[in-house]
Amino acid sequence: DAGVTQSPTHLIKTRGQHVTLRCSPISGHKSVSWYQQVLGQGPQFIFQYYEKEERGRGNFPDRFSARQFPNYSSELNVNALLLGDSALYLCASSGTWLEYFGPGTRLLVL
Amino acid sequence: AQSVSQHNHHVILSEAASLELGCNYSYGGTVNLFWYVQYPGQHLQLLLKYFSGDPLVKGIKGFEAEFIKSKFSFNLRKPSVQWSDTAEYFCAVKKTGGSYIPTFGRGTSLIVHP
Repeated sequence: DAGVTQSPTHLIKTRGQHVTLRCSPISGHKSVSWYQQVLGQGPQFIFQYYEKEERGRGNFPDRFSARQFPNYSSELNVNALLLGDSALYLCASSGTWLEYFGPGTRLLVL
Repeated sequence: AQSVSQHNHHVILSEAASLELGCNYSYGGTVNLFWYVQYPGQHLQLLLKYFSGDPLVKGIKGFEAEFIKSKFSFNLRKPSVQWSDTAEYFCAVKKTGGSYIPTFGRGTSLIVHP
C-alpha cells in the first residue's frame, strides 16, 4: 500500500511569497494533519482536518491556512513567507487515533 | 497549555547498553501518549502508544515504555541497544476529548556506537 505522499519534496522561496504544499493520505484515511518541524525541534502541530472540516488548530498565525478536498487530500498554504517559516512540513494521515507520517516537504525561505 | 519535556537531548551509548529516555508532560487530564522514532533519512514512525489499561506498553524493536500517572511521565526503555537504534526519538501527548492538539517534545538524538 502507498503511504502518505507529499509534494514537492523541496522548495525554495523568497520572503513575501506564497507557498502551497500538498498531501495525499493513505487510502481509506479521512483525517490529515499538518506539522512544522524546525531543525533541532520536535514537530509542531499546525492543523488537523477530518472529513473536510477543521478539527484542530495550533498556535500559528493567520498566514497559515489549509483545506481538505473530497478525496481527503489536503493543501497547506502559507502567505507572506518569513525567513522563520523555513522548516520541514510534515503531513500525517490517520484512520483512527494512529497517525502515519509522510516524508515531508523541506521549505527554505531566502 | 500542555507541554512535553524530553530531558535528554543527546545520548551516546555503546551497543548492548541499556537505554532510558525521559518524557514528562504537563497536562493534568486524560491523555494518550506516544513515542515516535525517526531513523536517518526516513519518515517519522510510531514506536509505541499508551491509550489506557496496562501502564507498561511494548512497542516495536524491543522498546517499551511505562506510564506513571502520578509523575506525569512516559519514559522509553530498551534493555540492550543496537547500532541500528541510532535515531531521533520524540515523545508526544494528545489530550482525549476536546480540540485535537497534539504536542511533541523537542526530541532526543541517540547515537549507538558499534
